Amino acid sequence: AQSVTQPDIHITVSEGASLELRCNYSYGATPYLFWYVQSPGQGLQLLLKYFSGDTLVQGIKGFEAEFKRSQSSFNLRKPSVHWSDAAEYFCAVGPINTGTASKLTFGTGTRLQVTL
Amino acid sequence: DTGVSQNPRHKITKRGQNVTFRCDPISEHNRLYWYRQTLGQGPEFLTYFQNEAQLEKSRLLSDRFSAERPKGSFSTLEIQRTEQGDSAMYLCASRRGGEQYFGPGTRLTVT
Repeated sequence: AQSVTQPDIHITVSEGASLELRCNYSYGATPYLFWYVQSPGQGLQLLLKYFSGDTLVQGIKGFEAEFKRSQSSFNLRKPSVHWSDAAEYFCAVGPINTGTASKLTFGTGTRLQVTL
Repeated sequence: DTGVSQNPRHKITKRGQNVTFRCDPISEHNRLYWYRQTLGQGPEFLTYFQNEAQLEKSRLLSDRFSAERPKGSFSTLEIQRTEQGDSAMYLCASRRGGEQYFGPGTRLTVT
């Protein structure tokens, strides 16, 4: 069965510092990979996705993520964090075969706190 | 593109009551999903519709839960005889291509 591990439950960084959020997945084949962000009491906003091709993908709000097949990882990075980035971040995987339900499997999330 | 909308945003109910939530997907999206998110967890898949057909249900969806999408547009999720364990955020998503777009969710509190 597929699973997603986000080993860091809570991370605190200073504004302007760099950020890396870790995500490891277990899947039968190369899946679609996603990062979502959730502000308190809100739904999820898609930050970026990897389907195929270039393993470094760019997303919104200055985020990027790198797919490493050998490590089954899809870590999220940002070179300089802004206070407004404080939120919960979820990594998710889904099957490439879009003929199926393509339901997403999420990690448990990493809560990012930004100090000024 | 007005996004996915969900109503109500918050619902407080007493144990044993029935509740119904509504999801309006993005208009051209024919695939619709329901997820449940409990405190400190990521969303978990509940059920999936393609047009009006419910094609997959999670084992999390007990007999007390029912979902419909009668005309392939909006969807409803009903929980009968609510239990305290049903307290969660219920998220709806619609899909275009490989991407799922989420609504703001309905937060259910069962007292």
